[in-house]
Amino acid sequence: GAGVSQSPSNKVTEKGKDVELRCDPISGHTALYWYRQRLGQGLEFLIYFQGNSAPDKSGLPSDRFSAERTGESVSTLTIQRTQQEDSAVYLCASSFFRYNEQFFGPGTRLTVL
Amino acid sequence: QKEVEQNSGPLSVPEGAIASLNCTYSDRGSQSFFWYRQYSGKSPELIMFIYSNGDKEDGRFTAQLNKASQYVSLLIRDSQPSDSATYLCAVNGDTGFQKLVFGTGTRLLVSP
Repeated sequence: GAGVSQSPSNKVTEKGKDVELRCDPISGHTALYWYRQRLGQGLEFLIYFQGNSAPDKSGLPSDRFSAERTGESVSTLTIQRTQQEDSAVYLCASSFFRYNEQFFGPGTRLTVL
Repeated sequence: QKEVEQNSGPLSVPEGAIASLNCTYSDRGSQSFFWYRQYSGKSPELIMFIYSNGDKEDGRFTAQLNKASQYVSLLIRDSQPSDSATYLCAVNGDTGFQKLVFGTGTRLLVSP
């Protein structure tokens, strides 16, 4: 596809369940980023992958959050034992290694009941 | 001090006026500067980027960068109601070229 895609677009889960969010970056983009945006708030950086380098996990809020990326393709963000405060839109972005303009996917809206 | 600061607004302008959005940043080593537009319920959309001091124009949008004063601004000429959105400033910070630091955004309201 031409843009960043994310799935699912919406996810409703019960407190304590695990969820997996998926991001498919723009083809050829080596860098991939995950952000969280709570209602009415700014973007909160979570994690950044650049090629085969070790990911920058400095933004992950707790050890319940983890992310993986296979090569320069799809990434999954996993939230274990979800809490109500995890409710937010999770945004993925990608960029080409020579430039740092980030292009965002449509996001996954996560609601934890 | 926050790394990237923006007035949260809302900034209200009448249709046809010039909207001026401002952003200051703390890292003197920052090299690249971006403006994103985010409509309510949507994801951010890149509208402008600037790397050099001075002005960069694209249609009704002009980005202005002053590295000495560490601010970047976005001017929107002939503002339209469809420009009503939150505008996010982003700057590459001290952690490297590709990782961006985002401001919390300025909400712009353009009234007909």
